[in-house]
Amino acid sequence: DGGITQSPKYLFRKEGQNVTLSCEQNLNHDAMYWYRQDPGQGLRLIYYSQIVNDFQKGDIAEGYSVSREKKESFPLTVTSAQKNPTAFYLCASIDRSNYGYTFGSGTRLTVV
Amino acid sequence: GQSLEQPSEVTAVEGAIVQINCTYQTSGFYGLSWYQQHDGGAPTFLSYNALDGLEETGRFSSFLSRSDSYGYLLLQELQMKDSASYFCAVPGSGNTGKLIFGQGTTLQVKP
Repeated sequence: DGGITQSPKYLFRKEGQNVTLSCEQNLNHDAMYWYRQDPGQGLRLIYYSQIVNDFQKGDIAEGYSVSREKKESFPLTVTSAQKNPTAFYLCASIDRSNYGYTFGSGTRLTVV
Repeated sequence: GQSLEQPSEVTAVEGAIVQINCTYQTSGFYGLSWYQQHDGGAPTFLSYNALDGLEETGRFSSFLSRSDSYGYLLLQELQMKDSASYFCAVPGSGNTGKLIFGQGTTLQVKP
């Protein structure tokens, strides 16, 4: 079955450390997205990529970086510049026929 | 800018019907989507309305009125498993596929 795989499920980051969240899809979708969700809140867009080797900042890109070297993969790095990284991170791709997102199962990042 | 408003919480009893409203402000409009998210899980796509009217998918229906910048999600024959958060969303500016989400409505279904 096609889908999006995110790993790890849980991640703990120390102060001043960079961490990378993995996102892999086998849906053959061109566009991929990273969202952040804080408790009791909606989803906010961090970065998105519409095609390989191209990506754009979303609404809250500061302290994050991404790459898109392959169609299937869109990893997100949370850098030490992100001062409040504790959140639930969701990766998604879109079915353009109905604007329906498929989400991965998410990575819950906690600063320790 | 773009923004969406939906109630923060709704409570209903098992077997009942509940309506979750969403009003939006957008510079351009390309459709209204709905997502369901169970506690601790990822959102799942429920529906997308690009045109006015009601679309039904099983126990769930979604309605859109573009002239009123308003839509709703209707859940019928409520079951305990419908307890979740429900988000409305609209596409962002440009044909990028990015979505702007509302803050979510937490639905609690009681026996």
